[in-house]
Amino acid sequence: GAVVSQHPSWVICKSGTSVKIECRSLDFQATTMFWYRQFPKQSLMLMATSNEGSKATYEQGVEKDKFLINHASLTLSTLTVTSAHPEDSSFYICSARIGGGVYEQYFGPGTRLTVT
Amino acid sequence: LAKTTQPISMDSYEGQEVNITCSHNNIATNDYITWYQQFPSQGPRFIIQGYKTKVTNEVASLFIPADRKSSTLSLPRVSLSDTAVYYCLVGASTSGTYKYIFGTGTRLKVLA
Repeated sequence: GAVVSQHPSWVICKSGTSVKIECRSLDFQATTMFWYRQFPKQSLMLMATSNEGSKATYEQGVEKDKFLINHASLTLSTLTVTSAHPEDSSFYICSARIGGGVYEQYFGPGTRLTVT
Repeated sequence: LAKTTQPISMDSYEGQEVNITCSHNNIATNDYITWYQQFPSQGPRFIIQGYKTKVTNEVASLFIPADRKSSTLSLPRVSLSDTAVYYCLVGASTSGTYKYIFGTGTRLKVLA
């Protein structure tokens, strides 16, 4: 149980275009989903927290107009990288948390974004 | 949110027990301690979570002293497939949302 999927697993796009990444909780309802970014050989960096039906909360330094997050249902959150540039190339990982008193987060497999 | 400090890297041999210690001096009363494992190009995988004393599951043990300012992840008899990065996380609710801030992690290399 507690499986989180991401789609696509990898994507290559041209500079200036937008890319959408989906994060789904397959067998549970996620009250909160999180988006992380990870550069090679580095740790995960939290980008934003999203709660179903409300606006995402972005971490300091993360451009909310560039990284659009939508959490339309309890099982789906999307991250759209707008006007992507080569420096946005990274590994994007989402996680989902089951509500209530459980503090475990379940992570997706990640999406490799390459901007050319 | 509590900050964690772990060794950057560790080497071990197959079959040995590996202990990775994490320091979290500013841990708050309601913080849990959670460990994740990450392989290259994959999302982190939950290993174990605890609040105090000792927790054991089928893959690891977690030791937490009474003051909870540190914790130790113990991996019994590691194999080559345990080569990965291990993250110690503490977190708490802020504005009603519980979130994790990842530290550097410990890069464990298991040698044959």
